[in-house]
Amino acid sequence: SAVISQKPSRDICQRGTSLTIQCQVDSQVTMMFWYRQQPGQSLTLIATANQGSEATYESGFVIDKFPISRPNLTFSTLTVSNMSPEDSSIYLCSVARVGYEQYFGPGTRLTVT
Amino acid sequence: ELKVEQNPLFLSMQEGKNYTIYCNYSTTSDRLYWYRQDPGKSLESLFVLLSNGAVKQEGRLMASLDTKARLSTLHITAAVHDLSATYFCAVANSGGGADGLTFGKGTHLIIQP
Repeated sequence: SAVISQKPSRDICQRGTSLTIQCQVDSQVTMMFWYRQQPGQSLTLIATANQGSEATYESGFVIDKFPISRPNLTFSTLTVSNMSPEDSSIYLCSVARVGYEQYFGPGTRLTVT
Repeated sequence: ELKVEQNPLFLSMQEGKNYTIYCNYSTTSDRLYWYRQDPGKSLESLFVLLSNGAVKQEGRLMASLDTKARLSTLHITAAVHDLSATYFCAVANSGGGADGLTFGKGTHLIIQP
């Protein structure tokens, strides 16, 4: 398995501001992903964080709103920019290794007021 | 576009009973995942199913995959209260070993004494 930590675990932010979420893994992983889980809903893939290159975004998500960095094989950040109340969600980092297992971090609970 | 449908979305059952959760997906994929989520928690990986006819069991849970029918089942045997949680199935978006996942809406399972 993989030990994944996320910071912050939760935050309350004002409309129009930005928040950067960090994801740290205890060992090198092939792939890192970011998901969003809106209240009472399922998970939606935001993007794949590519090491050393631009992230790959899913339909409906854009780089200007959700810039992502992945400077190495154990760390990634997701920024939620110019926040609105609709961005209130849990944001989860996920990692994958050879062997197909995908593990999820503890999540960051974001509330935008 | 890959779509994943789970049913039922809500299930209330008594301890000691058996039941099955169904997961249908719309396009070919080489990996299907089952996760458990407890309230306020992240996702716990239960099973990864990689090939047609694959069957995996852990305790009172058994998962199977029929790739021809694009159907996976999660069977619960002699349910106990501790299995109360939300169960998600998820399907890999494309081949290649490590891709983002498309999730079903989840099955909220309540097991009553």
